[in-house]
Amino acid sequence: DQQVKQNSPSLSVQEGRISILNCDYTNSMFDYFLWYKKYPAEGPTFLISISSIKDKNEDGRFTVFLNKSAKHLSLHIVPSQPGDSAVYFCAAIKPRGAQKLVFGQGTRLTINP
Amino acid sequence: EPEVTQTPSHQVTQMGQEVILRCVPISNHLYFYWYRQILGQKVEFLVSFYNNEISEKSEIFDDQFSVERPDGSNFTLKIRSTKLEDSAMYFCASSPDPVGNEQFFGPGTRLTVL
Repeated sequence: DQQVKQNSPSLSVQEGRISILNCDYTNSMFDYFLWYKKYPAEGPTFLISISSIKDKNEDGRFTVFLNKSAKHLSLHIVPSQPGDSAVYFCAAIKPRGAQKLVFGQGTRLTINP
Repeated sequence: EPEVTQTPSHQVTQMGQEVILRCVPISNHLYFYWYRQILGQKVEFLVSFYNNEISEKSEIFDDQFSVERPDGSNFTLKIRSTKLEDSAMYFCASSPDPVGNEQFFGPGTRLTVL
C-alpha cells in the first residue's frame, strides 16, 4: 500500500536554516492531510494539518503547502532548531467521517548545531 | 495538557498466548483508534471505535483481534492467540470527533512475541 509516500528516509539540516520535508500521495480521494512528529519511545505528536480546499496553512515555525494537481505536500520548518530532530510522518485521510489515517514511511530529520 | 496513556509500555509473550493492551483516551474524546508499527515499517491503521462499536477496521484486524471499552475510561485491544508477526509497537489514539481529524496518540506498547 503506497498511497502516501515519503521518498526521503532522512534529511540533515543546519540549525537556523529551513527544513523542507516532502510527501506525495496517489489517491485523489484524500481530502485532509496531517503532519506528525515522533521522538523515539513516544507516540506520534500532531503538528499541523491542511484541508484540500487550501494550499497553505501556517502555525508558527511550521508551514504546510499542498499542491493538489501534483498530489504533493511539503512541511517547512523555519528556523530549524535542535529540538526539531525527530521522525516526521505525513498522513492523509479520505472524506470526513472516515477515520483511517494513512501514513507515509517517515523522514528522519536531524538538525545539526 | 490531557494525553492518551497506554499500559504496559512493553509486553513480552509466548506465541499462542492472549494479550490485552490497555489505553486511556483523552476524557472528552469520542473516537478511539488502534494503530501498529512493525519495526522499520509504516504506522498502519487497525481499527476505529465509536459509540461502543467498531466503525472501521483494516484487513489486518482479523478474528484474532477484538476491541472493547469496558468502562468509561479504558479502551482495550485483545489479541487472542499471538503470532510472531504480531510483534510491533501498538499505538492507541483518540479524537473528539472525525471532523478536523486530528488524532492524538499515546506513547505505545511494544509487544514482543517469542
